[in-house]
Amino acid sequence: EADIYQTPRYLVIGTGKKITLECSQTMGHDKMYWYQQDPGMELHLIHYSYGVNSTEKGDLSSESTVSRIRTEHFPLTLESARPSHTSQYLCASSNHDGGANEQFFGPGTRLTVL
Amino acid sequence: GQNIDQPTEMTATEGAIVQINCTYQTSGFNGLFWYQQHAGEAPTFLSYNVLDGLEEKGRFSSFLSRSKGYSYLLLKELQMKDSASYLCAVRFSGGYNKLIFGAGTRLAVHP
Repeated sequence: EADIYQTPRYLVIGTGKKITLECSQTMGHDKMYWYQQDPGMELHLIHYSYGVNSTEKGDLSSESTVSRIRTEHFPLTLESARPSHTSQYLCASSNHDGGANEQFFGPGTRLTVL
Repeated sequence: GQNIDQPTEMTATEGAIVQINCTYQTSGFNGLFWYQQHAGEAPTFLSYNVLDGLEEKGRFSSFLSRSKGYSYLLLKELQMKDSASYLCAVRFSGGYNKLIFGAGTRLAVHP
């Protein structure tokens, strides 16, 4: 079973609030990812990191920002939440030692912005 | 392009066999993954193909043809708990292990 955690699992907030979604993994993986997924739709990569102090924007434009100060921790921040940010946010991690290097997913944070 | 196409929905009967197809149009192909995602939950890894052929893992098998840009996931002896979305995802070279996901196929297994 993958050791990747996300908090909170559910969040309902008002427009304009600053929020941080937490993601941590205990597998020592160097690569971490944030995806956004609307119900019944595909996962869209919004941020990824291939190591400490390295972050890149993903394929879907997002107003969120990320940081990677420690290997195990990859938080995502929205400075001013809007209703359009309502979605499920999934964090994932993977290793780099060859082979499948499958991504392991956290349980997700379901965000609702009123 | 990097389009990943798979059927939106499928239905099958408990105990039967179902095949879920996936086609992709991507340059620099470097592996194809299948994930299972139950409603409201995170995706879980099922299989990985990088070379042509069939990979078997218990009741699940996955096939890849790189020349045709085609893969399928085969589920045997279907159980009710197999009702879920099945996501096809492609990794491309030089992308730091980034994946492009299809929209998923929602499989409903009926008694």
